[in-house]
Amino acid sequence: EAQVTQNPRYLITVTGKKLTVTCSQNMNHEYMSWYRQDPGLGLRQIYYSMNVEVTDKGDVPEGYKVSRKEKRNFPLILESPSPNQTSLYFCASSGRDRGNSNEQFFGPGTRLTVL
Amino acid sequence: RKEVEQDPGPFNVPEGATVAFNCTYSNSASQSFFWYRQDCRKEPKLLMSVYSSGNEDGRFTAQLNRASQYISLLIRDSKLSDSATYLCVVNGAAGNKLTFGGGTRVLVKP
Repeated sequence: EAQVTQNPRYLITVTGKKLTVTCSQNMNHEYMSWYRQDPGLGLRQIYYSMNVEVTDKGDVPEGYKVSRKEKRNFPLILESPSPNQTSLYFCASSGRDRGNSNEQFFGPGTRLTVL
Repeated sequence: RKEVEQDPGPFNVPEGATVAFNCTYSNSASQSFFWYRQDCRKEPKLLMSVYSSGNEDGRFTAQLNRASQYISLLIRDSKLSDSATYLCVVNGAAGNKLTFGGGTRVLVKP
C-alpha cells in the first residue's frame, strides 16, 4: 500500500529534551516536506526537500532541523523543544521535483506536546 | 494580509442543499491551485486541482478567477459525509512552496 508513515503519532515531552519525528514514504517520491498545523494559523511549511541531500527552509524553520540522507526518509529533529512547538505535525511527499504541481500525500500526523 | 485567506465558517448546510465558498490569494504570480479536504484533524487529502477554465468532479465544481485572485468550491446535493474542513492551497511564486489557507468548515445536517 502506497503511504506516508510518521512516528510517533503522539508524544508528550519536556522542554529541552531532543526528539526526532520520523517520516517515511514508499512511493519513490522526490519531494518531501514537513508542516505544522495550529488553530487559526492553518498548515505552515517548516522545511522541504526536493531530493536526497537537498533541503530548504519553509515559512517557519526556526527550532527545527531536517535531513534527507535517503530518498524514502525525511526526519524532523527538534534539538531543544520549547512549549511553542506544541502542535500537530504532518509530513508529506509528492512525485515531482516541483512538488507544487503534483498531489501531496500526507502522513497521519504527529501530535506533539512540549511541557 | 495573509497570503491565502478563507472564511473559517462553519457553513451549516441542510442535506441535499448546495454550498459554495471562496478562497482569496495575494500573490498574482501563483500558478497552481488545489482544494484539499481534512477530517477531524486527520491528514489532508487532495479533493481536486483547480484549472483555469474551471473543472467539475461529480458534485464538486471548482472555479478560478485570476483577475480577482480567488478560487471557489461548490458542492451540490450535499451529503452528510461532505462534513469536513476544506483547505485552499496555492503554490507560491518560488514554485515549490505551497501555501495553505486556514480552511473552511462545512457541516452538513440531516
